Amino acid sequence: SQKIEQNSEALNIQEGKTATLTCNYTNYSPAYLQWYRQDPGRGPVFLLLIRENEKEKRKERLKVTFDTTLKQSLFHITASQPADSATYLCALVKGQAGTALIFGKGTTLSVSS
Amino acid sequence: DTGVSQDPRHKITKRGQNVTFRCDPISEHNRLYWYRQTLGQGPEFLTYFQNEAQLEKSRLLSDRFSAERPKGSFSTLEIQRTEQGDSAMYLCASSLETGENYGYTFGSGTRLTVV
Repeated sequence: SQKIEQNSEALNIQEGKTATLTCNYTNYSPAYLQWYRQDPGRGPVFLLLIRENEKEKRKERLKVTFDTTLKQSLFHITASQPADSATYLCALVKGQAGTALIFGKGTTLSVSS
Repeated sequence: DTGVSQDPRHKITKRGQNVTFRCDPISEHNRLYWYRQTLGQGPEFLTYFQNEAQLEKSRLLSDRFSAERPKGSFSTLEIQRTEQGDSAMYLCASSLETGENYGYTFGSGTRLTVV
């Protein structure tokens, strides 16, 4: 069956360090992958999208990589800040482009000062 | 346009009662999605609409659940004969076409507690 796994439920790092979150998937061939941020009691907020023919995408302190051979995406936050503390979700189109996104369980990042 | 609005924010109901939630998407978005999220889990897909047409329903959407989007604008999600297992956050999202380029815009959700 189709499955999305995010490496750990929780990640704790110190301010200023780089946070790296992992998203692995099986039995998919997604055309693209998206990352979202979710704060407690709120809906997810779209951060970045990366397509299957792109290796890397950057936006300010965020960087996403996509390896379709390994079936893995890495999400990096450089120079992390306490305000980056949140749950980060990866999401894939489960079928053909045009069907709905399927989300992983998320990784909760805590950045301490 | 202030984004995706969901109403109510919180709902407490007794087991066996019916509940209805409303979602107002971003006006120019033609796609609307419903997701359910429980503590520690990612959002689980329930159903989505393109304009007024309901294009896909998850097997999670039992016969007790029904969603509508009359006229392709706002949407309602109704749960009949609620069960304790229905307690969750119900999230609505909207997007332009497939959401491929700009992602989904989510509302803040309706938290349902069935007692």
